[in-house]
Amino acid sequence: KAGVTQTPRYLIKTRGQQVTLSCSPISGHRSVSWYQQTPGQGLQFLFEYFSETQRNKGNFPGRFSGRQFSNSRSEMNVSTLELGDSALYLCASRELGAGGNYGYTFGSGTRLTVV
Amino acid sequence: SQKIEQNSEALNIQEGKTATLTCNYTNYSPAYLQWYRQDPGRGPVFLLLIRENEKEKRKERLKVTFDTTLKQSLFHITASQPADSATYLCALETGGFKTIFGAGTRLFVKA
Repeated sequence: KAGVTQTPRYLIKTRGQQVTLSCSPISGHRSVSWYQQTPGQGLQFLFEYFSETQRNKGNFPGRFSGRQFSNSRSEMNVSTLELGDSALYLCASRELGAGGNYGYTFGSGTRLTVV
Repeated sequence: SQKIEQNSEALNIQEGKTATLTCNYTNYSPAYLQWYRQDPGRGPVFLLLIRENEKEKRKERLKVTFDTTLKQSLFHITASQPADSATYLCALETGGFKTIFGAGTRLFVKA
């Protein structure tokens, strides 16, 4: 079974630009979550999608947005990039079972550097 | 306010000993608690999940306990090895399809 695939692995952007990151979850996993990880803040929850619907959103400005497609693939977009957006962006997917939720499978992340 | 606390200081132990990591939380009523391992530059790897009605769960050399009265989880690695050196994260899943992670504890196992 292929893992969670995130593209690209590394990205360098200039302040003010926008960026789109992509995530392909494990086949059969319909829940996809996004996290931002920085040395000072740890893993911060961005949003969670299930069956193309955003079910929850973290405390991030409106510049951060996402979507999920019918094949469960997800994208997140950051507009008007700021230096503070430099971080490792992680996507995670999981299956949701009747007996309770399961752990997440994370991708390797996209390392975004804003200069 | 809601908070998850893990030991911010690194834990150094000798190979073969048991490592015990702590996760405390306040103002949450988590349905599930999870533990992950993360190596530098990589995404976290899921280790164990324990539900609110479970007291203990084991997997090979790993053991997790969950005390909802103390609002605490303990994560044990028995017979630790240098390869166990990593950062370990606890995560709480509350209602609302949102999982919150602690800052993690770095573990160093010396040969």
